[in-house]
Amino acid sequence: DTAVSQTPKYLVTQMGNDKSIKCEQNLGHDTMYWYKQDSKKFLKIMFSYNNKELIINETVPNRFSPKSPDKAHLNLHINSLELGDSAVYFCASSQEGRGFYNEQFFGPGTRLTVL
Amino acid sequence: TQLLEQSPQFLSIQEGENLTVYCNSSSVFSSLQWYRQEPGEGPVLLVTVVTGGEVKKLKRLTFQFGDARKDSSLHITAAQPGDTGLYLCAGEGYGQNFVFGPGTRLSVLP
Repeated sequence: DTAVSQTPKYLVTQMGNDKSIKCEQNLGHDTMYWYKQDSKKFLKIMFSYNNKELIINETVPNRFSPKSPDKAHLNLHINSLELGDSAVYFCASSQEGRGFYNEQFFGPGTRLTVL
Repeated sequence: TQLLEQSPQFLSIQEGENLTVYCNSSSVFSSLQWYRQEPGEGPVLLVTVVTGGEVKKLKRLTFQFGDARKDSSLHITAAQPGDTGLYLCAGEGYGQNFVFGPGTRLSVLP
């Protein structure tokens, strides 16, 4: 009964490859997010999706593309991986609406290593 | 761009000591949240503060939101080794602009 789950937990790949990370939430939340946490533990928002619409798109390279097949899923696809993409990627979800403050529930993270 | 700063960056204390960590910005936030992250896991929400001057208590943790809603503090009383972790503050600005601070890494030694 995990609230926010991500797969895989670890991903090791070569430079230039294309890879995807999957995220699912069973909380019934309206909004899902992708964050990147670098080696200094700085957590930076990459994307958020609300009702299958992109509402925040930070200045990330267009090699990164979020895909949301339905409200419970937000996958992250990365093309032409680069060394600098190595980081931990977190998926999160939150509920919008009156009385809610975008309190975020995070997944366990995917540690991506690009060789 | 709204930014959050946290201090100290690192803090190592003995079990039983008290501590305060700070989260500051020059911007106003509609709400501010504190999270704790343990190694190998995602951040876990501790509290949300919304009203300027608001104080919330969670057992030995006391959270305060500044009157102007630009800063916040987290005070831990009688710290325990289980309090060890990375403490992150996160603010929601107007227009759903959501930003995290760089974190305070706390180590409580037995």
